[in-house]
Amino acid sequence: GAGVSQSPSNKVTEKGKDVELRCDPISGHTALYWYRQSLGQGLEFLIYFQGNSAPDKSGLPSDRFSAERTGGSVSTLTIQRTQQEDSAVYLCASSLEGKDTQYFGPGTRLTVL
Amino acid sequence: AQTVTQSQPEMSVQEAETVTLSCTYDTSESDYYLFWYKQPPSRQMILVIRQEAYKQQNATENRFSVNFQKAAKSFSLKISDSQLGDAAMYFCAYRSYQGAQKLVFGQGTRLTINP
Repeated sequence: GAGVSQSPSNKVTEKGKDVELRCDPISGHTALYWYRQSLGQGLEFLIYFQGNSAPDKSGLPSDRFSAERTGGSVSTLTIQRTQQEDSAVYLCASSLEGKDTQYFGPGTRLTVL
Repeated sequence: AQTVTQSQPEMSVQEAETVTLSCTYDTSESDYYLFWYKQPPSRQMILVIRQEAYKQQNATENRFSVNFQKAAKSFSLKISDSQLGDAAMYFCAYRSYQGAQKLVFGQGTRLTINP
């Protein structure tokens, strides 16, 4: 079946602009995760959604970052007033409820000029 | 908080040889999961192997096997009969059995396969 998909694959934006990154999880996966991969910080957890429960936002680095998940499926990560340090690859993953293995998408490479 | 350490930024091996990638972690939990993920240049993180901490038997997946030493908090990955397609970044990751569902990753090891 189809895996996790993310769009766009690459995004170049100017400092101060807002960006939206999209994630389509594997069909039937109720858990969805966002991670950030940057040269300086490695792979960092950002946010986690599980069904109708309140999301775990403990990894969001600032209030410029937010995410939502509509209808228990597609998720959008929004970064407002982008800064150069936001440049990174943003990875999305999904898993079945109660299962430990996360399956990753191909990521979105964000470049802030 | 849990931490994962990969002390080898880069490793190289001859094609068809065996290589071992190191990973240590720190946790006060008794139950957890450990993973090795592979990330080729395409950026897609691919699960290589997983280990449940309560299982003493080391996990194996074809040419990939782990040496899980719970007391030492060590989780190394052995790749046998290395192939050119194994070239990638390899990440060790930890996940709690309960509570926080996030993966905690090590810094990664870049593996080069020499033909």
